[in-house]
Amino acid sequence: DTGVSQNPRHKITKRGQNVTFRCDPISEHNRLYWYRQTLGQGPEFLTYFQNEAQLEKSRLLSDRFSAERPKGSFSTLEIQRTEQGDSAMYLCASSRPGTENTEAFFGQGTRLTVV
Amino acid sequence: QKEVEQDPGPLSVPEGAIVSLNCTYSNSAFQYFMWYRQYSRKGPELLMYTYSSGNKEDGRFTAQVDKSSKYISLFIRDSQPSDSATYLCAMRGRSQGAQKLVFGQGTRLTINP
Repeated sequence: DTGVSQNPRHKITKRGQNVTFRCDPISEHNRLYWYRQTLGQGPEFLTYFQNEAQLEKSRLLSDRFSAERPKGSFSTLEIQRTEQGDSAMYLCASSRPGTENTEAFFGQGTRLTVV
Repeated sequence: QKEVEQDPGPLSVPEGAIVSLNCTYSNSAFQYFMWYRQYSRKGPELLMYTYSSGNKEDGRFTAQVDKSSKYISLFIRDSQPSDSATYLCAMRGRSQGAQKLVFGQGTRLTINP
């Protein structure tokens, strides 16, 4: 499969627990994005990597959230001390380098439920 | 006020109808405009991608961008029940510092057989 892969697809966790999601981008896509989508809303930008460098972080990304992309390949998004308000779909997307024809392709998402 | 406004619908039309979906935006720096289709509990799927103003056609889908009015549209001809989904408009700037996509709220569309 050559698409963006996200794992796990679903995660149910108790409030206060830590969770980690993984994203494997499309091969040769050097840009990787994380978005969060709540019910009835469009995706909201969280953070973005070019290769292993984290170039932009949204103010939505509180200090409980951390993202990494070691070696510029897969990425992980960790949420510490989860809260009920963290329940959402977490989407990963990747795109090719350059400023032209750099449309982003999304994975199927990880649906997080905090109980 | 949000940077990108999209009527959330829901919009329900009979099979075969022409569907018009629209978004307005406020940031004049936006240069790239996309339409994504999202089925329930799935990730967004890229449908159309347009740079700057103009029209782009792909099969039954036509995307239009009017930068002077800050208004973009997606038209679906001969709509099919399989087109039932949420349609998201998204846009971004051109510079290295403007790579994130800004999405509309999404319009939920149902095509009735």
